[in-house]
Amino acid sequence: GAGVSQSPRYKVAKRGQDVALRCDPISGHVSLFWYQQALGQGPEFLTYFQNEAQLDKSGLPSDRFFAERPEGSVSTLKIQRTQQEDSAVYLCASSSDQRGGYGYTFGSGTRLTVV
Amino acid sequence: AQKVTQAQTEISVVEKEDVTLDCVYETRDTTYYLFWYKQPPSGELVFLIRRNSFDEQNEISGRYSWNFQKSTSSFNFTITASQVVDSAVYFCALSEETDKLIFGTGTRLQVFP
Repeated sequence: GAGVSQSPRYKVAKRGQDVALRCDPISGHVSLFWYQQALGQGPEFLTYFQNEAQLDKSGLPSDRFFAERPEGSVSTLKIQRTQQEDSAVYLCASSSDQRGGYGYTFGSGTRLTVV
Repeated sequence: AQKVTQAQTEISVVEKEDVTLDCVYETRDTTYYLFWYKQPPSGELVFLIRRNSFDEQNEISGRYSWNFQKSTSSFNFTITASQVVDSAVYFCALSEETDKLIFGTGTRLQVFP
């Protein structure tokens, strides 16, 4: 597609519910990143894929967070047993460069609210 | 440790004023990249510029200009003759040998007509 597409745009979850957030990167982009942006803060790195390989998951805040990219294109970020502190905007970015150093293209994000 | 500091939380200017957004970074690497992104109210992050650590030449793109000074670890962004459409949150970011971006906390720019 023309840009990075994320769905849903908004998600309200009850505490304890599992959620799945989807990212469709730009076609052919090798690198895919997930970031978490709390209100009034800068985005914080969660995880990075190069094709289907998850090369860095050091930013995932707990074992309740899980990400996959099984065919090297679409990626899903799953959060189990959501808690209020998980409320944030989740941003996905992709890059044609293997290191992402030439500038990432970000999606519009999924705003998750846990009530 | 890597860190990006944007000390200005919010700046308000009147249209046509020039405005400079400050960015100070910390890194131990000699090879790194610096970025600026714009985040309008719609939420997506719009890429503005990427600079590598070996290129200290200043850059100008239309009304935008960037001043990179390794001596002071700064990568400041100036908008000349600001316009209402420039209103957004601006983020400075750092990338080292790994692929992830380290963002500052952002500066909210409000341009009033």
